Amino acid sequence: TQLLEQSPQFLSIQEGENLTVYCNSSSVFSSLQWYRQEPGEGPVLLVTVVTGGEVKKLKRLTFQFGDARKDSSLHITAAQPGDTGLYLCAGAGNQGGKLIFGQGTELSVKP
Amino acid sequence: DVKVTQSSRYLVKRTGEKVFLECVQDMDHENMFWYRQDPGLGLRLIYFSYDVKMKEKGDIPEGYSVSREKKERFSLILESASTNQTSMYLCASRQSPLYEQYFGPGTRLTVT
Repeated sequence: TQLLEQSPQFLSIQEGENLTVYCNSSSVFSSLQWYRQEPGEGPVLLVTVVTGGEVKKLKRLTFQFGDARKDSSLHITAAQPGDTGLYLCAGAGNQGGKLIFGQGTELSVKP
Repeated sequence: DVKVTQSSRYLVKRTGEKVFLECVQDMDHENMFWYRQDPGLGLRLIYFSYDVKMKEKGDIPEGYSVSREKKERFSLILESASTNQTSMYLCASRQSPLYEQYFGPGTRLTVT
């Protein structure tokens, strides 16, 4: 069974700080997606990474896929209160295209 | 604008009741999914469907069944609700494995 370990589970920081969220596995994934979920809503896709070593930027968010396609990270520069939410990584593995989700990181950015 | 809608945002049911959660997507997607979301556990797949009248078990199908009679509609059924099925239920759809999954807003189900 493929698993994704996401860390940290909770993160509370001040506005302007930087942070990194990690997503790790012992399994190889064909692609990895990052979602953001706000309270009372479903997750919304932020990015999909497909190639080992790939780096994608979305304004202040930088996503990286590990060279071996077993891990990924999300780095936020100068966090804003609007970044507050639940961040989820999800890997597409070898189980018929099903996504395997990490446990999520609850981010709180205080003004 | 793409849309996945779920029949209820909040639902309170009694133990033993039969519960229907409905999901409709307007994107003509082949694949549809039902997840439950619990704190610290992420999203866990209950059932999914790759086509009309087709269904496959996910990781936690016990106590649930599904129905997909039309392409746009995927229903989750709790035959006899139990308190351990209190959770947030999320429906999602996508066109193919490499594409984005679009999620509905979720149904927060409480079983008392």
